[in-house]
Amino acid sequence: AQSVTQLDSQVPVFEEAPVELRCNYSSSVSVYLFWYVQYPNQGLQLLLKYLSGSTLVKGINGFEAEFNKSQTSFHLRKPSVHISDTAEYFCAVSDPNDYKLSFGAGTTVTVRA
Amino acid sequence: GAVVSQHPSRVICKSGTSVKIECRSLDFQATTMFWYRQFPKQSLMLMATSNEGSKATYEQGVEKDKFLINHASLTLSTLTVTSAHPEDSSFYICSALGLAEQETQYFGPGTRLLVL
Repeated sequence: AQSVTQLDSQVPVFEEAPVELRCNYSSSVSVYLFWYVQYPNQGLQLLLKYLSGSTLVKGINGFEAEFNKSQTSFHLRKPSVHISDTAEYFCAVSDPNDYKLSFGAGTTVTVRA
Repeated sequence: GAVVSQHPSRVICKSGTSVKIECRSLDFQATTMFWYRQFPKQSLMLMATSNEGSKATYEQGVEKDKFLINHASLTLSTLTVTSAHPEDSSFYICSALGLAEQETQYFGPGTRLLVL
């Protein structure tokens, strides 16, 4: 079984400032890692994913994440946020055997002018 | 690519009635779809895994007779909430695994269900 911990429930940030959303996971097997974004009253949109290979993954909208196996982390970063980045962000892991996702509790990012 | 739709986006029904929610993969074939439930300000809770041509697999604590799932084709899965009650009010989201990109779930826009 896997579990995901998102260490920050809310992250307020000013426009054009950098942001980092922390995600740690636990698993007895190798996992796939994902970040999704959810805008109000909408479904989830895939930001990026790590399956294998390079530990630095670049996604859409200027986001990137780094897989750190020794620290079992997959933190999400963006160097300069926009007002439109205000949303809920979910980190998730899946078991390669069944592709079921386990989600973190989510981090609410609020970008202010 | 990898677009998933849901219908309806919002539904209000009376207690005791049944509601059907459709989940479609628009530009790819999906052998496996998932159904989630999300309460306000919370994360997604997996309800069941829907496999084309076979019975759905339900997560522990989810009543299979209350939440009927049918995956009749490679592009359509349906969730029927039977004899709905106010406590079934929630945001229901589906996702689909692609044939070519089997490790990634693509999500629909969700269906807001309100049972009066």
